[in-house]
Amino acid sequence: DIQMTQSPSSLSASVGDRVTITCRASQSISTYLNWYQQKPGKAPKLLIYAASSLQSGVPSRFSGSGSGTDFTLTISSLQPEDFATYYCQQSYSTPHTFGQGTKLAIK
Amino acid sequence: QVQLVQSGAEVKKPGASVKVSCKASGYTFTGYHIHWVRQAPGQGLEWMGWINPNSGATEYARKFQGRVTLTRDTSITTAYMELRTLTSDDTALYYCARLMGDRLDYWGQGTLVTVSS
Repeated sequence: DIQMTQSPSSLSASVGDRVTITCRASQSISTYLNWYQQKPGKAPKLLIYAASSLQSGVPSRFSGSGSGTDFTLTISSLQPEDFATYYCQQSYSTPHTFGQGTKLAIK
Repeated sequence: QVQLVQSGAEVKKPGASVKVSCKASGYTFTGYHIHWVRQAPGQGLEWMGWINPNSGATEYARKFQGRVTLTRDTSITTAYMELRTLTSDDTALYYCARLMGDRLDYWGQGTLVTVSS
């Protein structure tokens, strides 16, 4: 199985900050990498697919990059509604494993 | 609009089985795989498997093989996840989600399954 490792596991930031979350795969997954946002009590929401494609309706302050084994999710200017937990997921091969999550909290 | 509506919360005793439903609407049910993901309290997301609603083909995570069965009823555009021989470790929110290409673009609201004696 492909292991997905996110860093950091938690992060404190302020409104307006630029934030980057990284995700590393245990083997190359090309660009088969998705990012989800989850708020408490809610289902995950797709933000980025294929490493860098923005899902329809998602604000442009979210962006993704990377290929192979190393990926990043960047939020260019944090808004109050962005405080949540973020997960990466590989869809290169089954099982479609998730990272352990990065909890983004208000500083 | 695309919607996945799941069945309500369940409380089960250890050793029992649970069957969660996922009613799809707003799109062609047989055109997209349905994946199942679970989340234990305070924990991350765990992928369980998928079903092709058109053919009925399935694939399961090794961890759940032999204990989980994914099925569907195309006449009522509903997918099902049955998990057997429940233990307290199976207490979790169970989600269904639609696979568009290689990403899960729509998710159900989740079904809480509590396993307790």
